[in-house]
Amino acid sequence: KAGVTQTPRYLIKTRGQQVTLSCSPISGHRSVSWYQQTPGQGLQFLFEYFSETQRNKGNFPGRFSGRQFSNSRSEMNVSTLELGDSALYLCASSRELGLGNEQFFGPGTRLTVL
Amino acid sequence: GDSVTQMEGPVTLSEEAFLTINCTYTATGYPSLFWYVQYPGEGLQLLLKATKADDKGSNKGFEATYRKETTSFHLEKGSVQVSDSAVYFCALSEQAGTALIFGKGTTLSVSS
Repeated sequence: KAGVTQTPRYLIKTRGQQVTLSCSPISGHRSVSWYQQTPGQGLQFLFEYFSETQRNKGNFPGRFSGRQFSNSRSEMNVSTLELGDSALYLCASSRELGLGNEQFFGPGTRLTVL
Repeated sequence: GDSVTQMEGPVTLSEEAFLTINCTYTATGYPSLFWYVQYPGEGLQLLLKATKADDKGSNKGFEATYRKETTSFHLEKGSVQVSDSAVYFCALSEQAGTALIFGKGTTLSVSS
């Protein structure tokens, strides 16, 4: 069974640009979550989608947005990039929504903002 | 709000030494608790979990017990191997969804 896949794996952008990251969950998984990992702040929850609806959102500015498609694939978008957005963006999928459901993480997309 | 506090690293051990990585949490409700591991150049993998008080999660020789009275979920292993070298994250999930709140991570380095 294929794991969570994320594309692209590496991305370099400049300040002010926007970027779209993609995540394909494990087949049969309906929940997708996104996390930002930086050396300073560690792993921080961005948002969570289930059945094409955002169910939960972390404490990030409105420049960060996402969506989920009917096949459970998800994209996240960051507009007006800032240097501080440089990070590893991790996507995780789980079969269902709910406490204790195991999340499976993808390898991440490394975003560098110059 | 909810939070997770892990012991600062790095932790450096010799092969076959005993490992403890401390983790405490703050939560308003009754969370599920997790340990994730991130090997160099790889994504996060679930190591073990516990969903209620006094539950013991275990996997690959690692163990952690959900202690509600001390709000702790310390990770232990009796004999570490070089292959255990990685970053370990303690996390909790409390909300109806699956959103995880992570600790800062503890880097473990095991030498032979």
